Parts: sequence; C-alpha cells; structure tokens
Amino acid sequence: DQQVKQNSPSLSVQEGRISILNCDYTNSMFDYFLWYKKYPAEGPTFLISISSIKDKNEDGRFTVFLNKSAKHLSLHIVPSQPGDSAVYFCAASARGGSQGNLIFGKGTKLSVKP
Amino acid sequence: GAVVSQHPSRVICKSGTSVKIECRSLDFQATTMFWYRQFPKQSLMLMATSNEGSKATYEQGVEKDKFLINHASLTLSTLTVTSAHPEDSSFYICSANRGTDTQYFGPGTRLTVL
Repeated sequence: DQQVKQNSPSLSVQEGRISILNCDYTNSMFDYFLWYKKYPAEGPTFLISISSIKDKNEDGRFTVFLNKSAKHLSLHIVPSQPGDSAVYFCAASARGGSQGNLIFGKGTKLSVKP
Repeated sequence: GAVVSQHPSRVICKSGTSVKIECRSLDFQATTMFWYRQFPKQSLMLMATSNEGSKATYEQGVEKDKFLINHASLTLSTLTVTSAHPEDSSFYICSANRGTDTQYFGPGTRLTVL
C-alpha cells in the first residue's frame, strides 16, 4: 500500500506559467515533508521542505503548501522555466527524516515548454 | 553546501562477482547515511540506514548478507553487492544528513550485471 502518492505521472506547463505538483499521503504520523528534483541518471536534489507545524513554506520560486486535514501537499513553481523540467519526488517521514524513514512517491515528470 | 559523491557512477560486472560502491560526504560530517535503490519508473526504495561505527539497519526484504554496508567514518559509507546477479541490476543512490531532517543525495551508481 502506497503511503505517499503522486497521482499525476506527468505534467506539461508553458514557460512563465505556474506549475503545481500534488502529493497525497495516508499516514497521519508523517510530520515532515520534502520535495526533491531529479534528472535522469542523477541523484535527487533537495528543493524545499515543510514541517507539519506549518502550512506553507516559500523559497524563491518554490512554495510548498501543506493541508494536514486533507493529507495533501503541493509544490508550486512560479514562474516555471525550461530548466525546471525534471522528475519531482514528494517524500514524507515520521519523527523527522533523520531516522531514515523517508517514504517517496513515484514522482511526477514536469515538462516546461518554451 | 551539502555535497555527497558516489563512486563509481557506472559499473558493469559479470554475474557472481562482487561490486563495491562508495558514498562520501564531501563538505560535512554525516551522522547517518542511507542507501536507496531505484528501478526504472519506480520510486526510491530505502535499503538500509547506517551510522558510523555501528551495524547498518536493513529494511524488510533486504538481504544483509547480500548487500554489505560498512560505515567506517563520518564521511564514508560503502555498499558491497556480493555475488551479484542480473536481478541486482539497478540504480543505487546514497544519501547523508548532518543532524538535520534533510537528506542530501549522491549522484547515484548504475549497476549492470551481465
């Protein structure tokens, strides 16, 4: 049973517009959430994270929103750039990710078209 | 920054041989290092968690005698795939954290067993 779900395997957005990547989770014990960006044949790159005590965290063009009651989080990228094209993974953990129990979604492939 | 390197980036070996993959944190001391495996179009699956100077903790279903992990220092962990078989062919990624909740990933190692 998947505890972290990214239901959209792919997303295509025009350059300059907003990209919204969604992630749902089932485990109410998760208290820390992260987004990673991954290019083919490379390791994931950390983008942004959010603790369950917050509902929003912003870093430049990236904003993560957390809706605990809906067990849903989203990553907003605005404005989207062609260099943002990659696979984005949502990850969640309980008791902090330092425990190693990062549970990843299957990823969403974002394509930003010029 | 938080840079994690892996070596080699790509390895091809014959069935029955052993392969060692190194993971190094270059600019920080990692309290914990993690080993993941990713199959094509699948999510990252945690294999094991290792702390310097102690035995690794393996996830359910991961054979500890097959995937030997040594964490000799705060900046180096190694994964040895023993008696490799074609089904062990995969993308292996390590990560490390430095006492925070965020894991920083290496670039990955593509293992192909003939």
